[in-house]
Amino acid sequence: AQTVTQSQPEMSVQEAETVTLSCTYDTSESDYYLFWYKQPPSRQMILVIRQEAYKQQNATENRFSVNFQKAAKSFSLKISDSQLGDAAMYFCAYRSAWGGTASKLTFGTGTRLQVTL
Amino acid sequence: DTGVSQDPRHKITKRGQNVTFRCDPISEHNRLYWYRQTLGQGPEFLTYFQNEAQLEKSRLLSDRFSAERPKGSFSTLEIQRTEQGDSAMYLCASSLGGGGRARQPQHFGDGTRLSIL
Repeated sequence: AQTVTQSQPEMSVQEAETVTLSCTYDTSESDYYLFWYKQPPSRQMILVIRQEAYKQQNATENRFSVNFQKAAKSFSLKISDSQLGDAAMYFCAYRSAWGGTASKLTFGTGTRLQVTL
Repeated sequence: DTGVSQDPRHKITKRGQNVTFRCDPISEHNRLYWYRQTLGQGPEFLTYFQNEAQLEKSRLLSDRFSAERPKGSFSTLEIQRTEQGDSAMYLCASSLGGGGRARQPQHFGDGTRLSIL
């Protein structure tokens, strides 16, 4: 079974600064997807960024980028130019690449990000 | 695209009562997932449908839990004889999918928060 570990329960960053959230995972599979989801307080889970394991290039989405280290099974999220609206719970998640019964997401325990002025 | 809709947003009930939640996925999505999220934790997979077929159930889904997706559109999750430990946020997600790579991301609803008195 796959596991996802987020070792930082809380992080804080000043507005306009950069912050990196850590995630490690364990799997015996070679083909999979990794995700970062954002969950603002009392609001729905939103997909931030996605990485396909067979792609060596790190994914980027505007101010969000990842550092994917497949051999180390590490998948960190970097938020640049942090904004007040980035404050939320961030979840790292894993999913097998092939459909059918492998479609479920396995989540970490989350990192609460605070953004200060 | 109206997003994934869940009803009700909040449910408060006494221990021992039955409750039912509804999820309406994004209209063209054939896959539907239920997750449970307890305070301070990441969502945990409960069950998954492709069209009307329930293809996977987690061990978390005890005999008191039942989920249906009768016409491959909306889904219901029923909990019978509720217990204190059932208090959680119940999240629904949907995606497009079929055979082959599970490429499409899951889109989440706002969730139903269940409180057991």
